[in-house]
Amino acid sequence: EVVLTQSPGTLSLSPGERATLSCRASQSVSNSYLAWYQQKPGQAPRLLILGASSRAAGIPDRFSGSGSGTDFTLTISRLEPEDFAMYYCQQYGSPWTFGQGTKVEIK
Amino acid sequence: QVQLVESGGGVVQPGRSLRLSCAASGFTFSSFAMHWVRQAPGKGLEWVALISHDGTNKYYADSVKGRFTISRDNSENTLYLQLNSLRPEDTALYYCARSAMIVAVMNPDYWGQGTLVTVSS
Repeated sequence: EVVLTQSPGTLSLSPGERATLSCRASQSVSNSYLAWYQQKPGQAPRLLILGASSRAAGIPDRFSGSGSGTDFTLTISRLEPEDFAMYYCQQYGSPWTFGQGTKVEIK
Repeated sequence: QVQLVESGGGVVQPGRSLRLSCAASGFTFSSFAMHWVRQAPGKGLEWVALISHDGTNKYYADSVKGRFTISRDNSENTLYLQLNSLRPEDTALYYCARSAMIVAVMNPDYWGQGTLVTVSS
């Protein structure tokens, strides 16, 4: 099973700052199946990025994804108040697995 | 618009069974693979099961293999998850979610709001 490790566990930033979230896989994963999700308390996850770097429909361009192989990154260029939330990466590697999440909180 | 509405959750004793349903609308249900994902209270997301668009292929997490069964009724636009031999560690909010690409197996894009399963004596 592919294990996804997200870091940091918590990111404390101010609105307007840049956020860089990491997702590292225990073995190489296909870019085609690496996704990022945002989840706010009491809500279902929301797809942000598919295929490691393609923004899902309706996602603002301040969100971007990059990486390949075992190292992937989600970048939020300038944090808006609504961006403070949990973020999860997910991959398809028989089986599908999620990272443990990174919490982006207001500093 | 795409809508996924889960139902069937509740409080159940260890060892008992439960069947979850997910009613889909706003898209051609029979053209999309579907996932079940769960989230224990205060914890992260855990993928549970996947079924192909036509129901011929099914995949499960090791933690539920042999106890849970995913199925679908494309004529009723409904996804199911049969939960047998339930354990306290199965307590979670269960989400159904649609694969992000027609026919192909992909990460989920649209998610329902979930149905809560509590396993307790």
